Amino acid sequence: GQNIDQPTEMTATEGAIVQINCTYQTSGFNGLFWYQQHAGEAPTFLSYNVLDGLEEKGRFSSFLSRSKGYSYLLLKELQMKDSASYLCAVHPNSGYALNFGKGTSLLVTP
Amino acid sequence: ETGVTQTPRHLVMGMTNKKSLKCEQHLGHNAMYWYKQSAKKPLELMFVYNFKEQTENNSVPSRFSPECPNSSHLFLHLHTLQPEDSALYLCASSQDLSGSSLDGYTFGSGTRLTVV
Repeated sequence: GQNIDQPTEMTATEGAIVQINCTYQTSGFNGLFWYQQHAGEAPTFLSYNVLDGLEEKGRFSSFLSRSKGYSYLLLKELQMKDSASYLCAVHPNSGYALNFGKGTSLLVTP
Repeated sequence: ETGVTQTPRHLVMGMTNKKSLKCEQHLGHNAMYWYKQSAKKPLELMFVYNFKEQTENNSVPSRFSPECPNSSHLFLHLHTLQPEDSALYLCASSQDLSGSSLDGYTFGSGTRLTVV
């Protein structure tokens, strides 16, 4: 079966750092993705982890621990435009489609 | 514009109507997907096509009928829908199903469907 959990909502202040967690229990594992989705828009790719460790890309970083079934997305120097939904998705096995969590709605306040 | 174009952006239809959603990509991708996005729920996979062949049908009711005439186009034909089918329908594409693409999926902006 597939089970991907993320917090429903988070609030953070402009300029601060926020960490969005994702835990998963899937029948296979072939990589984990993070997507950003602004209201009324398409989800857009942020990051991909397949090996344990931290991947850094500008203000955004993503971490993976396969043994713990755990990932987080770290957003630094938050900006108002970072207010969006952040989706965690697991690729269970080659030949199958991505499975998504419910998404975390992040609100950045002044 | 993300590279994946969906039309229409908004659709209101009665329960007895027949309508179709269209998805088009010119990214050279070989896999295309339909997902349903409802409030407070995860993105739900509906159908997967790889090289024009359907590879997954995620127990979707027969009132939803997909069609993939070529690797660039994907349709979702709708008939006798129910109000609970109201949702955002997202199309996505990827290079293939291997998961080796580091860019993941490219999504369209979706069709906001309301069934009245």
